Amino acid sequence: EAGVAQSPRYKIIEKRQSVAFWCNPISGHATLYWYQQILGQGPKLLIQFQNNGVVDDSQLPKDRFSAERLKGVDSTLKIQPAKLEDSAVYLCASSHGWSNRNTGELFFGEGSRLTVL
Amino acid sequence: AQTVTQSQPEMSVQEAETVTLSCTYDTSESDYYLFWYKQPPSRQMILVIRQEAYKQQNATENRFSVNFQKAAKSFSLKISDSQLGDAAMYFCAFSFGNEKLTFGTGTRLTIIP
Repeated sequence: EAGVAQSPRYKIIEKRQSVAFWCNPISGHATLYWYQQILGQGPKLLIQFQNNGVVDDSQLPKDRFSAERLKGVDSTLKIQPAKLEDSAVYLCASSHGWSNRNTGELFFGEGSRLTVL
Repeated sequence: AQTVTQSQPEMSVQEAETVTLSCTYDTSESDYYLFWYKQPPSRQMILVIRQEAYKQQNATENRFSVNFQKAAKSFSLKISDSQLGDAAMYFCAFSFGNEKLTFGTGTRLTIIP
């Protein structure tokens, strides 16, 4: 089966500009996650969707970050305006979610590396 | 809130030797999952091994095995017969039920030829 797809792989922007990242999860996966991974750190959850509803966005900086999953399939993460500290890799992951097929395993995409200058 | 601690930022091992990566966690839950994920340079994160907390038997996957000590909240990863392809960042992670993964800060593993 096809894996989690993310784009773009790399993005360089100036501070105060905006950027958007796209993710297409594995087919049939109900749950989608966006993680932020700053260099030298472990991934930190930004937002978790179950179908098209938000389960957890407690660590999403809502003054500048937004995310949507309108049809319960692919998702977009937006940053506007970007700050220097937003430089990171943005990882999308998916899982079977709230079903008896859930093993707790997340499947990750290759990530989108953002550099803010 | 759950926390995961990896106290070894970097480890190195000779090719074909055995190495153990440490992980401790803190939770008040009794039924949960623990994972080790591998992240090669510029490549996607993949699952190495998974342990369900209610199972007393330690998980094994070929050359990878864990030492799960529930009372001590310890979950170490042993890699036997280390290979060059094992070089990567290794993350310990915790999950409760159907919720998100909480990751440690990672251990960078270098394989010495």
